Amino acid sequence: RKEVEQDPGPFNVPEGATVAFNCTYSNSASQSFFWYRQDCRKEPKLLMSVYSSGNEDGRFTAQLNRASQYISLLIRDSKLSDSATYLCVVNTGNQFYFGTGTSLTVIP
Amino acid sequence: DAGVIQSPRHEVTEMGQEVTLRCKPISGHDYLFWYRQTMMRGLELLIYFNNNVPIDDSGMPEDRFSAKMPNASFSTLKIQPSEPRDSAVYFCASTYGGADTQYFGPGTRLTVL
Repeated sequence: RKEVEQDPGPFNVPEGATVAFNCTYSNSASQSFFWYRQDCRKEPKLLMSVYSSGNEDGRFTAQLNRASQYISLLIRDSKLSDSATYLCVVNTGNQFYFGTGTSLTVIP
Repeated sequence: DAGVIQSPRHEVTEMGQEVTLRCKPISGHDYLFWYRQTMMRGLELLIYFNNNVPIDDSGMPEDRFSAKMPNASFSTLKIQPSEPRDSAVYFCASTYGGADTQYFGPGTRLTVL
């Protein structure tokens, strides 16, 4: 079983739509959680950390459910510039595990 | 402040040749990670170092791959001999403390013919 699993998509949504991605992880002792964004032919970059109480950064909201071992990312009012691959990342202490990514395309 | 620096950015080589990828982590970071990314397998951790010491190399595919970190500001990933299936983007990333945000370099796009 993979440490981190994501729906690869692709998600194709119109501008202004709300879209949600989910990610599950297998290690209940995982300590920290992140969402990264990767543009085509670029390196992954941190989008936001995910805190137990949930956190929001502008149009982006991240949630963590430790009991069910899943992480979510909600994007409201999608922009064309949100088109990218979103990677779910889990840290178990010293090692980071990356999901395979969910592809998002925002359509005009 | 400079981010993670990798070189070369692109490498095209022939099967059987030795390939050396280089990485300079962010100053002050004590963890360094080498990843490989392909369409089929996504982002795979190859090896990581803490304070220049290799901690986990279980992701290194086989003996053809080796990595070193002679000091806090430099690491290399070597493939000898290279094979076409090694074609991928190789990323180096660094972090402070091990569990905090990872910062990635721009990657080296390797093509083995």
